[in-house]
Amino acid sequence: DAKTTQPPSMDCAEGRAANLPCNHSTISGNEYVYWYRQIHSQGPQYIIHGLKNNETNEMASLIITEDRKSSTLILPHATLRDTAVYYCIVVRNSGNTPLVFGKGTRLSVIA
Amino acid sequence: DVKVTQSSRYLVKRTGEKVFLECVQDMDHENMFWYRQDPGLGLRLIYFSYDVKMKEKGDIPEGYSVSREKKERFSLILESASTNQTSMYLCASSQKGGLAKNIQYFGAGTRLSVL
Repeated sequence: DAKTTQPPSMDCAEGRAANLPCNHSTISGNEYVYWYRQIHSQGPQYIIHGLKNNETNEMASLIITEDRKSSTLILPHATLRDTAVYYCIVVRNSGNTPLVFGKGTRLSVIA
Repeated sequence: DVKVTQSSRYLVKRTGEKVFLECVQDMDHENMFWYRQDPGLGLRLIYFSYDVKMKEKGDIPEGYSVSREKKERFSLILESASTNQTSMYLCASSQKGGLAKNIQYFGAGTRLSVL
């Protein structure tokens, strides 16, 4: 499975959009991009996933570049409760390959 | 809502003890996973299971074993606990196939201290 690269940390002002980048330049055609987050002292929580089209749900939006080599998770109006570590994971949806969590990006939302 | 319940939030054990960490999920998921999480190392997969009585080694299985006798329960066993197994242990479950297999639901974690 393709590896991902994320910045170790980011800050965002409360109420502003948080844009979290992820580089996955070795992604192959049958691999999806998944995002999870982990709030302090809790288990990780699934956010969103996509293949090549942009996706949106009640939690976030996922923008994947046309060449699929990078993506951005967007939290449109960040709140203090969005402070967490965000993980970008690339994985095939076929077979039994488990998820590999990297070190993620620590997002701090500041009042 | 999917619920993944880990038997203990905090656990303190002595070196050499046999330790059982229990995980139960209530959504009839086929897949279950055990991870450990350490500062600076992120989440690392210990073992996983895709069906009852079935197990697969993850990235760091040494010093651990698992048991899956019932679909809803996945146990992690430390045969002889050591201080380097002090960690946060996280259990997760997911459906079997397709897009849903990569949507894992996690428990709250068990913080194990081995003295």
